[in-house]
Amino acid sequence: QLQLQESGSGLVKPSQTLSLTCAVSGGSISSGGYSWSWIRQPPGKGLEWIGYIYHSGSTYYNPSLKSRVTISVDRSKNQFSLKLSSVTAADTAVYYCARGGMVAAAFDIWGQGTMVTVSS
Amino acid sequence: DIQMTQSPSSLSASVGDRVTITCRASQSISSYLNWYQQKPGKAPKLLIYAASSLQSGVPSRFSGSGSGTDFTLTISSLQPEDFATYYCQQSYSLYTFGQGTKLEIK
Repeated sequence: QLQLQESGSGLVKPSQTLSLTCAVSGGSISSGGYSWSWIRQPPGKGLEWIGYIYHSGSTYYNPSLKSRVTISVDRSKNQFSLKLSSVTAADTAVYYCARGGMVAAAFDIWGQGTMVTVSS
Repeated sequence: DIQMTQSPSSLSASVGDRVTITCRASQSISSYLNWYQQKPGKAPKLLIYAASSLQSGVPSRFSGSGSGTDFTLTISSLQPEDFATYYCQQSYSLYTFGQGTKLEIK
């Protein structure tokens, strides 16, 4: 059964770059037809989609974050990564990775989430 | 950008009640509408995809309907484990989530 697991720094200083990785197990990240997304949730607030990388390597980002986001894939390690630059306190959130499925691109598998705090 | 508006933002109900949550898109999204359930401290869980298709393993008391701009999630008979926050999401053009509906015990 496919599983996703986020990892990375839980504390980032303002103006620095947030870096997270999502490890995929129980299946291949190169499987056709799927997309691999990052989503975040500030404490006590709703969900915000950050961006995704398609199995082909194409990337699509939330327009509100596009200038600061990079999502990449490492097929040899079966994982994908998020970099968010120039972070501020507003970027403090739980960050989830998720798989976009083949039907309606719904997020059918999620990681457990990892809390990232932006603070000096 | 496509905006998603859920109503109500919060809802109090009792076990056994029938509950409906509404989601409206700012433009037509055909049937590219998904529903998620989130419990405190947990990742969201997919309930309904493509507006009305029940995700595998989800109880049949959950159902979805709608197309175009107006959608509903219905829980036919609330169970104790259903008290949670529900989000709609459009996947027609990139992704946007609704603001969430918190379902609380009356």
